[in-house]
Amino acid sequence: DAGVIQSPRHEVTEMGQEVTLRCKPISGHDYLFWYRQTMMRGLELLIYFNNNVPIDDSGMPEDRFSAKMPNASFSTLKIQPSEPRDSAVYFCASQPGGLGDTQYFGPGTRLTVL
Amino acid sequence: AQSVAQPEDQVNVAEGNPLTVKCTYSVSGNPYLFWYVQYPNRGLQFLLKYITGDNLVKGSYGFEAEFNKSQTSFHLKKPSALVSDSALYFCAVREFWDGNKLVFGAGTILRVKS
Repeated sequence: DAGVIQSPRHEVTEMGQEVTLRCKPISGHDYLFWYRQTMMRGLELLIYFNNNVPIDDSGMPEDRFSAKMPNASFSTLKIQPSEPRDSAVYFCASQPGGLGDTQYFGPGTRLTVL
Repeated sequence: AQSVAQPEDQVNVAEGNPLTVKCTYSVSGNPYLFWYVQYPNRGLQFLLKYITGDNLVKGSYGFEAEFNKSQTSFHLKKPSALVSDSALYFCAVREFWDGNKLVFGAGTILRVKS
C-alpha cells in the first residue's frame, strides 16, 4: 500500500492567493483527518470526515478555510484568501474505522505564505 | 474533555542507555493511548498503542510503553537508546464517546548522543 498521499509537498504563495492542498487516503479507510502543525501551537486537528461526511470542523480556524471530500479516495483543504499566519505544515491522516484503530499520516504539505 | 501532558520538552540520553519519555493523560472513561514518532520533515509514524489487556505494550523499533491506570500514565521506554532514535515523540489519547478524534500532547524532543 502506498500510504496516505499528499500533494503538493511544498507550496509557496503570496498573501491573498488561493491555496488548495490535496490528500488521497489509504484505500478502505473510513476516516480522514486534516491537521496543522506549527511551532507555536503544535499539532491541531482542523476537521475530520467519516465516509466522506464532515463530522467535526470545530478546529477550522476561520471561514477562509474549507475542506471537502467528494469521494472516498480524495479530499481537499482550501484556504482563500491565504495569509502569512497560515504558514504551517498541513497533514492528512486516515484510519480504518474502529476506536482502537491507528491513524496513518501522510508526509505533509509545507505551506509558506509570503 | 480528554487531554494529554508531556511534561518534558526535551529528553537527553547517551547511546546505549535506557530512555523514558513521559506521558500522562486525563479522560472521563477508558482511554485508548498511542505513541507516534516524527523525524525531521516527515509525517508522524505510529509506534504503539494501548487499547485493552496487558499493561505493557511492545511496538516498533524496540520501543515499549506501560499503561498505568492509577497514575494515568503511559510512558514510552526503550532499554538501549540509539542515535537514530533522536526525533520528536507524541503521545495521544482517544476517548470512546468522542468519536475517532485523537488528542495529541505537545511533543517531546529526544536527543541521543553518541
